[in-house]
Amino acid sequence: QEQLVQSGAEVKKPGASVKISCKASGHTRYFMHWVRQAPGEGLEWMGIINPSGTTANYVQKFQGRVTMTRDTSTSTVYLELNSLTPEDTAMYYCARDGSYCSSSNCYAAYFFDYWGQGTLVTVSS
Amino acid sequence: EIVLTQSPATLSLSPGERATLSCRASESISSYLAWYQQRPGQAPRLLIYHTSNRATGIPARFSGGGSGTDFTLTISSLEPEDFAIYYCQQRSNWITFGQGTRLEIK
Repeated sequence: QEQLVQSGAEVKKPGASVKISCKASGHTRYFMHWVRQAPGEGLEWMGIINPSGTTANYVQKFQGRVTMTRDTSTSTVYLELNSLTPEDTAMYYCARDGSYCSSSNCYAAYFFDYWGQGTLVTVSS
Repeated sequence: EIVLTQSPATLSLSPGERATLSCRASESISSYLAWYQQRPGQAPRLLIYHTSNRATGIPARFSGGGSGTDFTLTISSLEPEDFAIYYCQQRSNWITFGQGTRLEIK
């Protein structure tokens, strides 16, 4: 059973940046996603990073403001979001992709089979 | 962007009853639909993927169906722990979620 453990809550001022971590208990062959949820709202997908960390694809809404990275040596993925506004106040979740894996490769399935516990980011002056 | 519309917004039922939740896509998404359950204060949990495949550890009372643009999640006999918010999600064209259906105790 995969466990994803995220870093703790953050409080930031408008214009600042935040970097959230997500450490996986299992191996690092899977694609990973970030999904956020504003208070009382639904789920919003932000993007995906491949198993090696060499390629990340972001939702256009966040292009230029978001960076997803990965440290395969520690099985940790990171989300960095810049130029924060109060509208970025949300719970941020990392989620493992339900990837199809052969002996040599994994292919993204684009659904989420395991989730982190969430990191609350509050943006307020 | 593919828009997913869930109905009803709120469903009020009693334990033991059957629940049917709907998710309609703005264009065909083949069978690329997943369902998640979110209890208060918790992260979402995968229930169903590829329209009808139950995720690991999900009880048999949960089932999914549909194709193209119309999909359903059925809970055959509600248990107290099933009262939660349910989201559908498509992966045919990037990823989008429905707005959720709140399943509440009547």
